[in-house]
Amino acid sequence: EADIYQTPRYLVIGTGKKITLECSQTMGHDKMYWYQQDPGMELHLIHYSYGVNSTEKGDLSSESTVSRIRTEHFPLTLESARPSHTSQYLCASSDPRLPRGNEQFFGPGTRLTVL
Amino acid sequence: LAKTTQPISMDSYEGQEVNITCSHNNIATNDYITWYQQFPSQGPRFIIQGYKTKVTNEVASLFIPADRKSSTLSLPRVSLSDTAVYYCLVGVSTDSWGKLQFGAGTQVVVTP
Repeated sequence: EADIYQTPRYLVIGTGKKITLECSQTMGHDKMYWYQQDPGMELHLIHYSYGVNSTEKGDLSSESTVSRIRTEHFPLTLESARPSHTSQYLCASSDPRLPRGNEQFFGPGTRLTVL
Repeated sequence: LAKTTQPISMDSYEGQEVNITCSHNNIATNDYITWYQQFPSQGPRFIIQGYKTKVTNEVASLFIPADRKSSTLSLPRVSLSDTAVYYCLVGVSTDSWGKLQFGAGTQVVVTP
């Protein structure tokens, strides 16, 4: 069973607030990812990291930012939340040294609602 | 990353076999075919991966023809708990980039 955690699971906030979505994994994986998924829609990669101090933007443009100061921790921040940010945010990690090198282990997600 | 095409939805009754076919005409020589399952309000989870012919595990079977331009995920004797979205992905198994491209997936609904 994968050990990847996301907090909070659900968040309802008002427009303009700064928020940070937490993601932690205890598997020692170097690679971590953030996806955004609207209900019934596909996942879109918004950020990824290959290791400490490495962050890249994903395929879908996002106003969020990420940091990777520690291997196990990959938080996502929205400086000023807007209703258009309402979505589910999924964090994942992977380890190319594993037999299925590109298998990604997902957290339970954070469902964000911005009023 | 090769593009994949799969049906939007499939309905089934409990106890039946469900087969989901995915097309990937532009699959590259080094690409593996991977399937993920996603339950509502959860992240996707890996269920099976293959390169060619047939792969079977405790959850599903994956059939890949010789030309590898398509693949079929087979779920034997489905139960209500198999209701989920199933994603077909194509990519290099040990790609140093590690990026996956999820399509829209196939919503499988199992009814009694």
